Amino acid sequence: GEDVEQSLFLSVREGDSSVINCTYTDSSSTYLYWYKQEPGAGLQLLTYIFSNMDMKQDQRLTVLLNKKDKHLSLRIADTQTGDSAIYFCAENGSSASKIIFGSGTRLSIRP
Amino acid sequence: DGGITQSPKYLFRKEGQNVTLSCEQNLNHDAMYWYRQDPGQGLRLIYYSQIVNDFQKGDIAEGYSVSREKKESFPLTVTSAQKNPTAFYLCASSARDGSYNSPLHFGNGTRLTVT
Repeated sequence: GEDVEQSLFLSVREGDSSVINCTYTDSSSTYLYWYKQEPGAGLQLLTYIFSNMDMKQDQRLTVLLNKKDKHLSLRIADTQTGDSAIYFCAENGSSASKIIFGSGTRLSIRP
Repeated sequence: DGGITQSPKYLFRKEGQNVTLSCEQNLNHDAMYWYRQDPGQGLRLIYYSQIVNDFQKGDIAEGYSVSREKKESFPLTVTSAQKNPTAFYLCASSARDGSYNSPLHFGNGTRLTVT
């Protein structure tokens, strides 16, 4: 079935770049998303990429998509303390009515 | 401002009692969803609705029920049949189904604790 996998934790030093990785199984996905969840809150859409693109840049965020390997990554440049959160990768898969989420990567920032 | 409102933020119930979680949106979205979030497990889909008066089971619908009598509202009832109801519940909506770029918009969640 459809599956999205992420590592659970990432720790980076303030000011460094963070790279959060994700793999997915459904090659028919047309859109892939990155969501951010701050403590005790809902998920907020950060960015998305259409499946015929390789890269998308939005200010400090860069999304890379390797469709052959079904690998998606989110790079956050100049990571700040406000970037501490859980980041979810998601795909819209083959079912028109469901978005499949990964388990989330908790990003923590070291001073 | 448009958005999704979930209430209450925290809810406590005794085992054996049914409880209803509220979700209201003023985004004029057709589709609404309920997810359950447990630590380290990501989000799991409970129920979803693409149109008023219609809804479908998600991956973990057992022990839950929903209704969609109005476009703006999609309440979730956690019944006593749900074996492990303590969790963080998230409601979401989207403009149309996932076949287009219609990302989900989320409420701030309800944390349910059953003792």
